[in-house]
Amino acid sequence: DGGITQSPKYLFRKEGQNVTLSCEQNLNHDAMYWYRQDPGQGLRLIYYSQIVNDFQKGDIAEGYSVSREKKESFPLTVTSAQKNPTAFYLCASSLGLAGAYNEQFFGPGTRLTVL
Amino acid sequence: GENVEQHPSTLSVQEGDSAVIKCTYSDSASNYFPWYKQELGKRPQLIIDIRSNVGEKKDQRIAVTLNKTAKHFSLHITETQPEDSAVYFCAASDSWGKLQFGAGTQVVVTP
Repeated sequence: DGGITQSPKYLFRKEGQNVTLSCEQNLNHDAMYWYRQDPGQGLRLIYYSQIVNDFQKGDIAEGYSVSREKKESFPLTVTSAQKNPTAFYLCASSLGLAGAYNEQFFGPGTRLTVL
Repeated sequence: GENVEQHPSTLSVQEGDSAVIKCTYSDSASNYFPWYKQELGKRPQLIIDIRSNVGEKKDQRIAVTLNKTAKHFSLHITETQPEDSAVYFCAASDSWGKLQFGAGTQVVVTP
């Protein structure tokens, strides 16, 4: 799991601002994911990407955007359209999406707080 | 889509006792069921997983059982220790291979 990094660890945002969370992996994984975690809740999928230049919406994509220009990188932008963005954001990666490659490895997370 | 329910939400056990967490899933096509442990403020870590072609898997003090007919799977921790205190999440893959997570179980092991 040490092959996935996220930055920053803590992020403070004013209302109305867009912010971008970084996620990088050196595991040569094809699939990458973004999850949101709120207190007392499980992980909810925001976006995922199976290959470069392709990504799909997850269960709670509204107010978020992503890009996948490089295999190693999958940044998440939290836009001003996201009504309640304060949460712990986790990035993950896996060799592939289905079959034998489901094991997901998580980054250390970014805690976003809206002031 | 896949829906995963996890029980209990909190579990307090005495050190040395066993802990059992249960999950149910809805998608009969699910074929991969991992369990993650998350300590406070840390990333989730995979502790054990099971695929739909086996009914039970064990790794030292941790075991997972799967009942495909009933669509439920369970995590068993024996001889619990204080370092087992954490939040545990179950998950199930949907028909596309994405994971759907349960809401988590806060396990507290008291000495």
